[in-house]
Amino acid sequence: DIQMTQSPSFLSASVGDTVTLTCRASRPLNGFVNWYQQHPGKAPKLLVSAGTTRSSGVSSRFAGRISGPDSSLTITGLQPDDFASYFCQQALSTPRTFGQGTRLDI
Amino acid sequence: QVRLQQWGAGLVRPSETLSLTCDVFGVSLDNSLWTWVRQAPGRGPEWIGEVSHSGHPSYSPSLFGRVTITTDASKRSFSLKMTSLTAADAGVYYCARGRNVYDLDVWGQGTVVTVSS
Repeated sequence: DIQMTQSPSFLSASVGDTVTLTCRASRPLNGFVNWYQQHPGKAPKLLVSAGTTRSSGVSSRFAGRISGPDSSLTITGLQPDDFASYFCQQALSTPRTFGQGTRLDI
Repeated sequence: QVRLQQWGAGLVRPSETLSLTCDVFGVSLDNSLWTWVRQAPGRGPEWIGEVSHSGHPSYSPSLFGRVTITTDASKRSFSLKMTSLTAADAGVYYCARGRNVYDLDVWGQGTVVTVSS
């Protein structure tokens, strides 16, 4: 199985800040990485597909990037609704494993 | 607009079988990967498996032998059966639609599964 390691596990920030969340896979993913946002008690919401493609309706404040073995999600100008948990998922092969998440707290 | 509505018993006795169904609205079962994901409290999601409407299913090796995912085109639904449940299987179970880039763009509302006698 491909292992997905996210960092940091917890991040505190303020409204208006810019933050970057990182995900490292145990093998190259060739861009097959997705990012999700999850609020407590809710289903995950797809933010970014294939490393860099924002899902329909997702704000341009969310940007996915790939740099070598690392994938990242940058959120600019944090808004109150952005404080949630974020998960990466590799889509290269089954089982399509998720990272353990980054919890973004205000 | 694609929508998934899942249902099934959330309280399962140890060693018994979990059965969940996900009804699909707004699209046929064609051209998608119908997926089940679960999440233990405080943990990241765990991919259980996926199936296309006509292809072979794929399951997580950690659950292989206990899980069956099937589709029913006539009812426009797909289902999960997981046998021999233990307390380690407790959590929230979600159905989701996978697209051709293997992302999960539409999710069900989730079912809380408790394993208890």
